[in-house]
Amino acid sequence: GESVGLHLPTLSVQEGDNSIINCAYSNSASDYFIWYKQESGKGPQFIIDIRSNMDKRQGQRVTVLLNKTVKHLSLQIAATQPGDSAVYFCAEGEYGNKLVFGAGTILRVKS
Amino acid sequence: DSGVTQTPKHLITATGQRVTLRCSPRSGDLSVYWYQQSLDQGLQFLIHYYNGEERAKGNILERFSAQQFPDLHSELNLSSLELGDSALYFCASSATMGYGETQYFGPGTRLLVL
Repeated sequence: GESVGLHLPTLSVQEGDNSIINCAYSNSASDYFIWYKQESGKGPQFIIDIRSNMDKRQGQRVTVLLNKTVKHLSLQIAATQPGDSAVYFCAEGEYGNKLVFGAGTILRVKS
Repeated sequence: DSGVTQTPKHLITATGQRVTLRCSPRSGDLSVYWYQQSLDQGLQFLIHYYNGEERAKGNILERFSAQQFPDLHSELNLSSLELGDSALYFCASSATMGYGETQYFGPGTRLLVL
C-alpha cells in the first residue's frame, strides 16, 4: 500500500541551530501535506500544512518545503529550542481519502 | 489544548474483554477520526465519521467498531481484546468532511491488555 515517511530516525541538533526533518511520500496524487509534532505522553499537535500548488510555506520559526518532482517534504525549524524535542510526523492527503502518516522522526535538542 | 477530549486516559483490562473509548470533538467540528499508535508502528488510521455517518475505513479490525452520535461525540468499541491491542488510541476532529483540513488530536487513551 501507499506509505509516507521514514522508519523513526533520530536527529540530534544543538540548541540554537536550525533543524531539517525530511519526509518522502509515495502517492503522487497527494495534494495536501501536514507536519505534526508529538511530545511524550501527548497527542499529535498541528505545526504547519501545505497544498500541492505551493513549494514553500512559512510559519513562526518553521518552514515547510515541498518538492513534488521527487515527492519530498521537509520541515525546517529555525533556532531550535529544547522545547522542540519531540517526534515529528509528516502526513499526506488526497481528495476524498484519509490522511496517511509517516512513522516519524525523533528530534533531540542538546543544550 | 486542542479542544478534543478523550476518556478514559488510561485503561487496563484483560484479554477477551470489551472496552469503550470515548471522544468529544472540538466545538463545531463535524468529523471524528480514530487512530491507533503502537510502539512499533506510526499512527494507523482506523475510521472516520462525518456528521454521524461512516466516511472512511482504514486498518480497523472486525473486532473493533465505532459510531458517532447526534451530539457528535464518538465511541470506539474494542472487543475480544488481545495482547496486541495494547496501544495508544487517539481521536481527532476536523471542521467538515476532512479534505484538506487540519485534524486536531485529543490526548489519547492508553490501553493495556494483560
